Amino acid sequence: GAVVSQHPSRVICKSGTSVKIECRSLDFQATTMFWYRQFPKQSLMLMATSNEGSKATYEQGVEKDKFLINHASLTLSTLTVTSAHPEDSSFYICSATSGLYEQYFGPGTRLTVT
Amino acid sequence: EDQVTQSPEALRLQEGESSSLNCSYTVSGLRGLFWYRQDPGKGPEFLFTLYSAGEEKEKERLKATLTKKESFLHITAPKPEDSATYLCAAPGFGNEKLTFGTGTRLTIIP
Repeated sequence: GAVVSQHPSRVICKSGTSVKIECRSLDFQATTMFWYRQFPKQSLMLMATSNEGSKATYEQGVEKDKFLINHASLTLSTLTVTSAHPEDSSFYICSATSGLYEQYFGPGTRLTVT
Repeated sequence: EDQVTQSPEALRLQEGESSSLNCSYTVSGLRGLFWYRQDPGKGPEFLFTLYSAGEEKEKERLKATLTKKESFLHITAPKPEDSATYLCAAPGFGNEKLTFGTGTRLTIIP
């Protein structure tokens, strides 16, 4: 149980384009989903928290207009990186919780902006 | 401010050589201490939740324990496939956000 999927697993895009990453909870309803970013050999950095049907809460320093988060249902959240630039290249990971504090993580999405 | 600190930063062991990883925390009103395993290029995999001092949980060669100030992840007779980064985390007071430690990179040498 508690499986979270992400799609795509890898994406390469050109600078200035937008990229959408999907996060799905496959076998439970996620009241809250989280989006993280991870740089090589560093720990996870929380970007935003999203609850179904409401606006995401962004961490300090994260541009909400660049990283658009939509949590349309209890099993789906999307992260759209708008007008991507090479510095946005990173490993993006989502997680989901069903209301307890345990978070279950997706496999991650490697974004490369050329 | 909530803090989670892990040590050592990296650990190299021979196959079969048991050891422990440490996670110390200062979190108001602890509502769980979580251990995760992360392989390179993958998302963290949930291992354990500990809720109260004295609690222990086991899974294969791993055993997690919790005191009032720290948690240990004991690895017994490790194998090369146990090589990974081990992360501990705790939720902050009044919210579901997890504060993560920086992790311990464990390498098991055959």
